[in-house]
Amino acid sequence: SQQGEEDPQALSIQEGENATMNCSYKTSINNLQWYRQNSGRGLVHLILIRSNEREKHSGRLRVTLDTSKKSSSLLITASRAADTASYFCATGLNQAGTALIFGKGTTLSVSS
Amino acid sequence: DAGVIQSPRHEVTEMGQEVTLRCKPISGHDYLFWYRQTMMRGLELLIYFNNNVPIDDSGMPEDRFSAKMPNASFSTLKIQPSEPRDSAVYFCASSLIAPSGNTIYFGEGSWLTVV
Repeated sequence: SQQGEEDPQALSIQEGENATMNCSYKTSINNLQWYRQNSGRGLVHLILIRSNEREKHSGRLRVTLDTSKKSSSLLITASRAADTASYFCATGLNQAGTALIFGKGTTLSVSS
Repeated sequence: DAGVIQSPRHEVTEMGQEVTLRCKPISGHDYLFWYRQTMMRGLELLIYFNNNVPIDDSGMPEDRFSAKMPNASFSTLKIQPSEPRDSAVYFCASSLIAPSGNTIYFGEGSWLTVV
């Protein structure tokens, strides 16, 4: 079963609006990461938040982590057409030696 | 740095043929990962290596799949014989330290179609 589940599966917004994507996971984590994938390309790392952190910012990105609810959210403010992509959360488990587990992603479409 | 380099970018092959996908990780990275991406199953970890040694191959779907890392700068993923259900995008990725505690860098993927 999937460790990380993104919600919604697809999101369509207008340029300038904010986009919020959520990720829920099942087991205890060491960190949670968000990646972006443009159509036909590889995944690119956006931001990493550790289990002892609650919020992190990077440019127009804001990530929150609630370990009690086993959930995270990615907020993209003032979205642009170039933000159109799929966004994935990936969890790093507390078990030593385990690799990142990715969710199925949220597909974001920003129209101008 | 050139990033993770994968080849071929696209491959179309007939069922039953052998397929070899290649990967050059970022120089100095200790970890190398092979992921497979499909619409149905999302991004699945197939296998990962640490210092050229396979650590976890529990995601390799069956004996038709094999992966090697003969040195720090090269890895292969082989499918023999290939089947239509193997059609997917195969990503190689590498990271500097730890399998999950750090950023991993993906290649552009190898798009495999088995007909």
